[in-house]
Amino acid sequence: NAGVTQTPKFRVLKTGQSMTLLCAQDMNHEYMYWYRQDPGMGLRLIHYSVGEGTTAKGEVPDGYNVSRLKKQNFLLGLESAAPSQTSVYFCASSPPSGSNFHEQFFGPGTRLTVL
Amino acid sequence: DAKTTQPTSMDCAEGRAANLPCNHSTISGNEYVYWYRQIHSQGPQYIIHGLKNNETNEMASLIITEDRKSSTLILPHATLRDTAVYYCIVRVAFSGNNRKLIWGLGTSLAVNP
Repeated sequence: NAGVTQTPKFRVLKTGQSMTLLCAQDMNHEYMYWYRQDPGMGLRLIHYSVGEGTTAKGEVPDGYNVSRLKKQNFLLGLESAAPSQTSVYFCASSPPSGSNFHEQFFGPGTRLTVL
Repeated sequence: DAKTTQPTSMDCAEGRAANLPCNHSTISGNEYVYWYRQIHSQGPQYIIHGLKNNETNEMASLIITEDRKSSTLILPHATLRDTAVYYCIVRVAFSGNNRKLIWGLGTSLAVNP
């Protein structure tokens, strides 16, 4: 199992450009999450999904959109990138029940710089 | 939302037990305590969780005080590979049955040879 993978690993954007970050998991998890991590701050939840076709806002959703068309994929979109969105983005997944109910599995992260 | 307080950094000698404290004095009765770690900017990794009772798994032990206002993560025999940032996290319910993790800044643990 690959677990949780993220594409791309690094990206540099100019202000106003758009891009999509892809998260994929092969563990058949229902729940998926997008976080951002900034220096001096803990991870903050951007959006999450509790199943295919459903998405919801987290703590810091402004400037981002998400889609969960397939259970294994969770896409994070930046419509018009701003320097404040320079961050490391982590995707995670978790099952809704079972022995791993309490654990979130994280991807390796995407390092995004907006100039 | 419940918040956690941890030391900014700690040192531990290789082979010794590492005891990482965490205060969560505002925790509610149904909120779990979780510990994750992050090694050198990799994705966070789950370690252990608990509600009221002490817990142990192959990675660590979690000691929760009776009043649940603080806890300690114990790595029994720290190795160099345990050098990481350790996060004490409270999971809170929000938006129905959904839950979110409230992350703090963590403790940077350095395991020294």
